[in-house]
Amino acid sequence: GAGVSQSPRYKVAKRGQDVALRCDPISGHVSLFWYQQALGQGPEFLTYFQNEAQLDKSGLPSDRFFAERPEGSVSTLKIQRTQQEDSAVYLCASSEKRTSGGTDTQYFGPGTRLTVL
Amino acid sequence: SQQGEEDPQALSIQEGENATMNCSYKTSINNLQWYRQNSGRGLVHLILIRSNEREKHSGRLRVTLDTSKKSSSLLITASRAADTASYFCAVQRGTSYGKLTFGQGTILTVHP
Repeated sequence: GAGVSQSPRYKVAKRGQDVALRCDPISGHVSLFWYQQALGQGPEFLTYFQNEAQLDKSGLPSDRFFAERPEGSVSTLKIQRTQQEDSAVYLCASSEKRTSGGTDTQYFGPGTRLTVL
Repeated sequence: SQQGEEDPQALSIQEGENATMNCSYKTSINNLQWYRQNSGRGLVHLILIRSNEREKHSGRLRVTLDTSKKSSSLLITASRAADTASYFCAVQRGTSYGKLTFGQGTILTVHP
């Protein structure tokens, strides 16, 4: 079946613009994660959803970052008033079950490469 | 902040040779996972080892875990040019909803 998809794959924004990044998880997956990967670094956790509930948003770098998953499926990561330091690849991952202490495999999407000029 | 430290940062070998990558972490974990990332296929899960396991195999991959030293190694045997990629270790803690904390990665280049 289809894997995790993300759109757009590439986004160029002028500093100060708002952007919205979309994630379509694998159908039926309960858990959804967003990660940010700067150039040459490993991914860093941003936020976690269990169905529509955002249970952990400790990794969001500022209040300019907002994520939602209103129907427990598709998720959107929104960045307001983008800054150059927001330039990164934003990765979405989903897993089948709730993962509180569990070991479910996370399946990653291809990412959205955001460049802020 | 990233928890894992990986070494080497880059590794260049010939096809057929073995490649070993190391990862260290700082806190207690539930499990440690290895991922591969290349431009063609994104981030792909390779293998998971639980904190009560010491060694695990999957095809040409062998992973070891030493919780007393808070370290892990990934061995790829008989490497192929297609193994060229970045490899990341990532840890899951038991109380973190399953979020992964990644290391900075090792860039592996396998020359044909």
